[in-house]
Amino acid sequence: KAGVTQTPRYLIKTRGQQVTLSCSPISGHRSVSWYQQTPGQGLQFLFEYFSETQRNKGNFPGRFSGRQFSNSRSEMNVSTLELGDSALYLCAPRWRVRRPGELFFGEGSRLTVL
Amino acid sequence: AQSVAQPEDQVNVAEGNPLTVKCTYSVSGNPYLFWYVQYPNRGLQFLLKYITGDNLVKGSYGFEAEFNKSQTSFHLKKPSALVSDSALYFCAVRGPFSGGYNKLIFGAGTRLAVHP
Repeated sequence: KAGVTQTPRYLIKTRGQQVTLSCSPISGHRSVSWYQQTPGQGLQFLFEYFSETQRNKGNFPGRFSGRQFSNSRSEMNVSTLELGDSALYLCAPRWRVRRPGELFFGEGSRLTVL
Repeated sequence: AQSVAQPEDQVNVAEGNPLTVKCTYSVSGNPYLFWYVQYPNRGLQFLLKYITGDNLVKGSYGFEAEFNKSQTSFHLKKPSALVSDSALYFCAVRGPFSGGYNKLIFGAGTRLAVHP
């Protein structure tokens, strides 16, 4: 079963800073999604990439952006951090082709904004 | 708009007893429904899904879910609970297609506590 490595696992930033989170599937997944998990809002879809192109975007401000590279690695960036951005950020390559919605989540990057 | 509701914040069950975690949904069109589980400090793991076919769907770790169209429900079940089943369970529905297929809309989650 292919794994997913998310880095860093934990990080602390202050308001106004920016952050970049990385997602590295072990095998070559062409599709990857990102989700934000907070105690108040629960799990919310951020965006989805397929073959390096953003295919879908959730209801988040433009401060949230992402990209996918040709080697399937993905990054997300949050600029001008706010306290409310404190969350667990999960990336999820699609586990199998032609099985939409079956996602294999990484363990996440826990961001704390002070 | 697609949505799911998990009416229980927490479910407590004794080990060996059957368990049910409830989920109701609201969708336009045919529902694509999922259950995911999250263990402490871990990412989510896919358990099972319903797209079409039999109303009883079998998944990982002995879990199953019953799709009921008339009641718009998709309850997660297991005949005999284990202490190791204690975790946070999420019901999800696939969002409307808007360029991609993997936008899931999650419920708030139900914490399952299985007591020895």
